[in-house]
Amino acid sequence: GENVEQHPSTLSVQEGDSAVIKCTYSDSASNYFPWYKQELGKGPQLIIDIRSNVGEKKDQRIAVTLNKTAKHFSLHITETQPEDSAVYFCAASMDQAGTALIFGKGTTLSVSS
Amino acid sequence: GAVVSQHPSWVICKSGTSVKIECRSLDFQATTMFWYRQFPKQSLMLMATSNEGSKATYEQGVEKDKFLINHASLTLSTLTVTSAHPEDSSFYICSASPHKGQGNTEAFFGQGTRLTVV
Repeated sequence: GENVEQHPSTLSVQEGDSAVIKCTYSDSASNYFPWYKQELGKGPQLIIDIRSNVGEKKDQRIAVTLNKTAKHFSLHITETQPEDSAVYFCAASMDQAGTALIFGKGTTLSVSS
Repeated sequence: GAVVSQHPSWVICKSGTSVKIECRSLDFQATTMFWYRQFPKQSLMLMATSNEGSKATYEQGVEKDKFLINHASLTLSTLTVTSAHPEDSSFYICSASPHKGQGNTEAFFGQGTRLTVV
């Protein structure tokens, strides 16, 4: 089955700096890669996703890149703000309704002002 | 975006009792819902896939007699933790995907249920 590795487990940056989180996956059949932000005591919130027919997607300060050959994808947050502090999870699955997401172990991002 | 509502958001129960957690898709139909379990500072671990009108599919190592799942309608799945013990204390989260043919894979998550067994 699918296995998703995520690095780093913790990341501390200064406000205004960029943050990059990387994930690798094992199943070449996976073609849907979402990123979730989870705040303490809450459910995950989708922040951006990418499908295997594109290599990069951007939404304001957040971007995701995908290298399907190497089986890795990354989350990039620019101009970080204290409110970006949270746990971020990457996930992978096949792009079919009814397919469960397999999550990475998460990255705790701390943005200090 | 679509909304998934989970209830209750937290519950405390005594050892040996059962607890039911509800997961509702409020503005779309969900043929499939998923139940995850999350321990403190850990990732979401898939417990089971809930299929409307049929039996749930459990992940390896998850006791189906202990974690009863019912998906009786296209908008509601329930997870019942039976004969709860302190080691069942955890954060339980559901997610739902739109009915086949209505959209893509995007999963929408509930706000989670914090279960504490004393």
